[in-house]
Amino acid sequence: GAVVSQHPSWVICKSGTSVKIECRSLDFQATTMFWYRQFPKQSLMLMATSNEGSKATYEQGVEKDKFLINHASLTLSTLTVTSAHPEDSSFYICSASEGVEKLFFGSGTQLSVL
Amino acid sequence: QKEVEQNSGPLSVPEGAIASLNCTYSDRGSQSFFWYRQYSGKSPELIMFIYSNGDKEDGRFTAQLNKASQYVSLLIRDSQPSDSATYLCAPSNTDKLIFGTGTRLQVFP
Repeated sequence: GAVVSQHPSWVICKSGTSVKIECRSLDFQATTMFWYRQFPKQSLMLMATSNEGSKATYEQGVEKDKFLINHASLTLSTLTVTSAHPEDSSFYICSASEGVEKLFFGSGTQLSVL
Repeated sequence: QKEVEQNSGPLSVPEGAIASLNCTYSDRGSQSFFWYRQYSGKSPELIMFIYSNGDKEDGRFTAQLNKASQYVSLLIRDSQPSDSATYLCAPSNTDKLIFGTGTRLQVFP
């Protein structure tokens, strides 16, 4: 099946720093990518929908200036958590769509902000 | 009302039994659905995509879609301890892919 690569797998950073997470579709072109956040024992929460070449669409309650999403090509989307704080510590997961029937997830990034 | 609702469980079944997982949705316009499995600490993996009313089978998994009643279910035959995970459903025909809360399945030996 299609592969979506996400890295880093985990990152520890100091409060106030910024962290960039990359999501790549390795063997298909993804016009749409989704970014999710998941807290322990909770479900996936959609943060934003990213379309190649256009601005991301953020879900209500998600700060677009804090969570910067760039989808510059059909195979790469990035999420930058700016000025991270301990409450941003979470599991971040991207997914990429290869047509309506196929949506594949990256392996996720565990972010810990100290 | 949430777009997608699932019983959070846990649903406990003995090894070898059939596990039945259900998902109801509110948008009558939803035409097709995903079922994903997520192990603790891992990202979801695709199990099934279904778009037609009725059943779709893939190995030990059978997805059932009933658009009139607005529910989609997943049956797992011959359940194994390795099937213990959280199962997520989501309608696939929206611009934003919203998942249900997931049902935690526990298969005990």
